[in-house]
Amino acid sequence: QVQLQESGPGLVKPSETLSLTCTVSGGNITRGSFYWSWIRQTAEKELEWIGRIYTTGSANYNPSLKSRVTISRDTSKNQFSLILTSVTAADTAVYYCARDRFQGGYYFDYWGQGALVTVSS
Amino acid sequence: DIQMTQSPTSLSASVGDRVTITCRASQNIRNYLNWYQQRPGKAPKLLIYGASSLQSGAPSRFSGSGSGTDFTLTISSLQPEDFTTFYCQQSYSTPFTFGPGTKVDIK
Repeated sequence: QVQLQESGPGLVKPSETLSLTCTVSGGNITRGSFYWSWIRQTAEKELEWIGRIYTTGSANYNPSLKSRVTISRDTSKNQFSLILTSVTAADTAVYYCARDRFQGGYYFDYWGQGALVTVSS
Repeated sequence: DIQMTQSPTSLSASVGDRVTITCRASQNIRNYLNWYQQRPGKAPKLLIYGASSLQSGAPSRFSGSGSGTDFTLTISSLQPEDFTTFYCQQSYSTPFTFGPGTKVDIK
């Protein structure tokens, strides 16, 4: 059973950097045909895909956030991370990490419980 | 980006009702369409992938159909635990995009 768990600060000041980590258990982030994604959900319940990292370490991002986002990984800890720079109140959301599986198309089959990040001074 | 719309935005129904939710894509996405269910305070949970394939462990009362731009999620007999919110999501191309959600509540 794959499990994902987000961790990181719940409060970030405007213009600063948001940093979250997703710890994966029950599966190796360097094996298989999987991507590992970050998705966020605003208070209005809108879901937005942020980006993902492949088992090889290559990443791709939502163009709407690309200039501010970096997704990386620590294979020794089986973790992948999200960095979002220059945050504003619009970045306040619940941030989810998820496994992105390909089987006749990509889909998110395992999700973390979510981490609420509030951007406020 | 591919825009996803859902209708209705919300609906009221009773236990045992047959419910249909529609999702429309702004361009042809073939069958690269997934459905998720989200309970309050929880992460979305995959129900249907590839437009019509039932995710392992998802109840058989859920079914999906459609291709191209128009898709439906059907709940054959609504159960108390189904009064939640449902989202569609396209995986035809990045950036992956979600519909705005359909909230099902008790009539």
